[in-house]
Amino acid sequence: SYELTQPPSVSVSPGQTARITCSGDVLAKHHAYWYQQKAGQAPLLVMYRDTERPSGIPERFSGSSSGSTVMLTITGVQAEDAADYYCQSGEGSGTSLYVFGTGTKVTVL
Amino acid sequence: QVQLVQSGTEVKQPGSSVRVSCKASGGTVSSHTLSWVRQAPGQGLEWIGAIIPVLGATYFAQKFQGRVTITADESTSTAYMEMSSLRYEDTALYYCAIPITRRYCGGGTCPLGDVWGKGTTVIVSS
Repeated sequence: SYELTQPPSVSVSPGQTARITCSGDVLAKHHAYWYQQKAGQAPLLVMYRDTERPSGIPERFSGSSSGSTVMLTITGVQAEDAADYYCQSGEGSGTSLYVFGTGTKVTVL
Repeated sequence: QVQLVQSGTEVKQPGSSVRVSCKASGGTVSSHTLSWVRQAPGQGLEWIGAIIPVLGATYFAQKFQGRVTITADESTSTAYMEMSSLRYEDTALYYCAIPITRRYCGGGTCPLGDVWGKGTTVIVSS
């Protein structure tokens, strides 16, 4: 199916580890990208090609991939990491060029 | 560096059309895939469609085919998204985005965008 499924919410205490999963058939063949969106702001790319961090993204953000599931991990969560996170993938053509995950709200307790 | 500047808030009646613009400055974007994404209030991100300006090639999510037109004017580095037959549920924040950094691409795909506009609010109301 051409859908990406994420848990609606993840809650974590400061300094702990947050793990956000994203599952979908398209991920078995194509890379995943992750975006962070804070309230009132445009999305910000925080991970590309499953496991790579863009310039300026803190090292506490990491990514992994296994089969049809990818994961964004935030190690040592800080209050500023509270945001919505979206995975994104796509088949690179036609009506399937891009697809977003359902989104996960990360709450820092 | 490349920036995307979007047009202002639009208020439209149901059944009408809206055109939103996205102007690129600070670099050449004509060979990149520029996408439109929307976000309804309290909802997630939804890809609408995309254009590669230098080719004039367009791509649309199946949901929007036939109701959305995406064009680009290379001379002004401006892309346009026009949506027709507006419904109340089209009320949303509409973003344009573009993957500028080539090294973020791989395996035949790129991120939808590492540069985003600030968004244009479209309100459909009678």
